[in-house]
Amino acid sequence: GQQLNQSPQSMFIQEGEDVSMNCTSSSIFNTWLWYKQDPGEGPVLLIALYKAGELTSNGRLTAQFGITRKDSFLNISASIPSDVGIYFCAGQKDAGNMLTFGGGTRLMVKP
Amino acid sequence: GAVVSQHPSRVICKSGTSVKIECRSLDFQATTMFWYRQFPKQSLMLMATSNEGSKATYEQGVEKDKFLINHASLTLSTLTVTSAHPEDSSFYICSARDLIEGSYNEQFFGPGTRLTVL
Repeated sequence: GQQLNQSPQSMFIQEGEDVSMNCTSSSIFNTWLWYKQDPGEGPVLLIALYKAGELTSNGRLTAQFGITRKDSFLNISASIPSDVGIYFCAGQKDAGNMLTFGGGTRLMVKP
Repeated sequence: GAVVSQHPSRVICKSGTSVKIECRSLDFQATTMFWYRQFPKQSLMLMATSNEGSKATYEQGVEKDKFLINHASLTLSTLTVTSAHPEDSSFYICSARDLIEGSYNEQFFGPGTRLTVL
């Protein structure tokens, strides 16, 4: 099935550093979503983006919906050990339709 | 937020047996439920979409006779892996969504079920 191109695949950073990850697609999505998955758990929604160009924050997390509707990025500022996990982007073409997931970014934070 | 549960959380079975996984929406009515499969270090891949009271829609490459999905009520969907084989070992995750006209309908994910087929 189709996947979004998500990068980087993994990151190993020092506590306190900022993190940036992004997703790109060859086709347009009308909603972009960012999830975090802890080991052995289901994904949890972090941020949802509904309009091209939209910039939304959730605490230390900031995400943007690309103006072309083909990309999105997620920034995490001042990382802490509990940020460890796998972050997935997901695109949705129409409300209520299926989600297409990126390959994930595995984040590791060194205290 | 809304809660989705899955049961069992882990299951180990012998090759050739069938396994049933339940997905329940605990505090909302899920008109649509989705079933995903996730292999180690990989992303979630949609297997099928089920709407309450109708047949599931399967993604390309997913065998509907092997992965039986039933969505008989607004709070329960089941996935049955029939005649399981070791290659079916995976993490199965469901999500549930209520459909409200005119508003964005978030998918709420269950905690997943780890299936190991020996």
